[in-house]
Amino acid sequence: EIVLTQSPATLSLSPGERATLSCRASQSVSSYLAWYQQKPGQAPRLLIYGASNRATGIPARFSGSGSGTDFTLSISSLEPEDFAVYYCQQRTNWPRLTFGGGTKVEIK
Amino acid sequence: QVQLVQSGSELRKPGASVKVSCKASGYTFTTYAMNWVRQAPGQGLEWMGWINTNTGNPTYAQGFTGRFVFSLDTSVSTAYLQISSLKAEDTAVYYCARESSYGTDYWGQGTLVTVSS
Repeated sequence: EIVLTQSPATLSLSPGERATLSCRASQSVSSYLAWYQQKPGQAPRLLIYGASNRATGIPARFSGSGSGTDFTLSISSLEPEDFAVYYCQQRTNWPRLTFGGGTKVEIK
Repeated sequence: QVQLVQSGSELRKPGASVKVSCKASGYTFTTYAMNWVRQAPGQGLEWMGWINTNTGNPTYAQGFTGRFVFSLDTSVSTAYLQISSLKAEDTAVYYCARESSYGTDYWGQGTLVTVSS
């Protein structure tokens, strides 16, 4: 089973700052990695697919990069609505999926 | 527009069963696979498995075999999750989520299942 490790567990930042979230896979997932955002009491929302492609309607301040085992989600300038939990998901061995443990982006 | 609407919260006693429904609309139901995802209180997302909405064939992740059953009623574009012999540790929000080539692109609103005596 492919294990995804996200870091840091919590990121404390102020609005307007840049956020950089990491996701590391236990073995190569090529570019089959997605990112999701989840706000309290809500279902997750797809942000990024294929490691670097924004899903429909996702603002340009969100960007994804990486391939193989190391991936990054960047938020160029945090808006108040971006404070949430972010999960990565590997899709390389569909129909088996796994999620990372999540990174909480909180207001400093 | 694509929507996945799940059934409401459930309270069950240990040992009982529960069936959660997920009604899809706004797309051809049998064209996309359906995932089930669990989220225990204060915890992360855990993929439970998926069901092929064309064939009805389910695939269960490790840890979700035996007591968990995925099923369909394609005549009403609905997927179901049944959990039997409920335990306290089954208390969680359960999500259905559509699988596309881009990712898990649409999610239901979640169904809270509480197991308590």
